[in-house]
Amino acid sequence: QQQVKQSPQSLIVQKGGISIINCAYENTAFDYFPWYQQFPGKGPALLIAIRPDVSEKKEGRFTISFNKSAKQFSLHIMDSQPGDSATYFCAASLLTGGYQKVTFGIGTKLQVIP
Amino acid sequence: DAGITQSPRHKVTETGTPVTLRCHQTENHRYMYWYRQDPGHGLRLIHYSYGVKDTDKGEVSDGYSVSRSKTEDFLLTLESATSSQTSVYFCAISERPQGETQYFGPGTRLLVL
Repeated sequence: QQQVKQSPQSLIVQKGGISIINCAYENTAFDYFPWYQQFPGKGPALLIAIRPDVSEKKEGRFTISFNKSAKQFSLHIMDSQPGDSATYFCAASLLTGGYQKVTFGIGTKLQVIP
Repeated sequence: DAGITQSPRHKVTETGTPVTLRCHQTENHRYMYWYRQDPGHGLRLIHYSYGVKDTDKGEVSDGYSVSRSKTEDFLLTLESATSSQTSVYFCAISERPQGETQYFGPGTRLLVL
């Protein structure tokens, strides 16, 4: 059972456009929602994160929008650049059994074309 | 990669052989995790550690064991490798257990023939 559903699986955006990736979760106990960026041959790296008491968080060109009632959150990349081409994972985490259980979406491969 | 190294970075092995992957950190973080990454599944937790000699199972732990004898090292062992364990394995660390960024290593690509 996939507890964090991510879409689309692939995305092609023109340089300067807006990239939007959507995620939905089921477990209302999740209390931390990070987005990770992964380049080929590298490990995932934290891009931006939000907690459920905040509806939006912006860091530079990256914005998370969070809708607690709908159990959905999304990543917006403004003015997308070829250097943003990577795979993006949304995730949701909670403390359980003494550790941080992180559930990842399946990933979105973003390609930004010049 | 936040002071995390994984070895080997690539390995090819045969079905039925034992394989050990190593994760080494220089951050002195208490929590360490092993994930596997497969297309269509994202990252899935195999095992985690919350201190020296303190480990527990994740969601896909069958066929894997771990050990942590020092804060900086977390070993993942495939007791008898199978083709279904062909994957990319990532180690991650975090300082605290909740609401914290996990820092990932560069990964180990394992092919089981």
